[in-house]
Amino acid sequence: KQEVTQIPAALSVPEGENLVLNCSFTDSAIYNLQWFRQDPGKGLTSLLLIQSSQREQTSGRLNASLDKSSGRSTLYIAASQPGDSATYLCAVRPRGNNRLAFGKGNQVVVIP
Amino acid sequence: NAGVTQTPKFQVLKTGQSMTLQCAQDMNHEYMSWYRQDPGMGLRLIHYSVGAGITDQGEVPNGYNVSRSTTEDFPLRLLSAAPSQTSVYFCASSYDGSGNQPQHFGDGTRLSIL
Repeated sequence: KQEVTQIPAALSVPEGENLVLNCSFTDSAIYNLQWFRQDPGKGLTSLLLIQSSQREQTSGRLNASLDKSSGRSTLYIAASQPGDSATYLCAVRPRGNNRLAFGKGNQVVVIP
Repeated sequence: NAGVTQTPKFQVLKTGQSMTLQCAQDMNHEYMSWYRQDPGMGLRLIHYSVGAGITDQGEVPNGYNVSRSTTEDFPLRLLSAAPSQTSVYFCASSYDGSGNQPQHFGDGTRLSIL
């Protein structure tokens, strides 16, 4: 069974610092890995999707990398802003089934 | 383009009552799914559908039924509500189930069972 871990569960950073969020997974046989953002009381918003054949994806200040062999992904947010405060979840799509396996998330607070 | 719409947003039920959580998408997505989100447990897949007329069980299907009579709608039914089903429920959709497309989520239904 695919296990997805995100550590730490919560972190605070001062505005302007770069954010680095880590996700690890136990089975490297995946179709893709997706990073989501969740605001309080809201659903999940897809930020970046990395296919298993890719090493990274970028969108604006966001960059996500994937090292399938070591079972790791990193979400990098440059020059953090208070509006980046949210919970960030990663999810992997295992090969052979349609079930996304989610981590429990990193709750981020950016301090003005 | 409304995306994924879930109704109701909030609901309180008594143990043993039944209800249907509605989910509709207007993006012509084939793949739809239901998750529940509980503190300390993360999101867990309840049921999913790869197209109209096709459904399958996820990780935690017991106590829930689904059907997919149209591409747009994927309702989730609680047959006899139990306190353990108190949770936030999310519906999601994607263009297909291949894993190449991102999933789009609704804003959730917050359900309390007394």
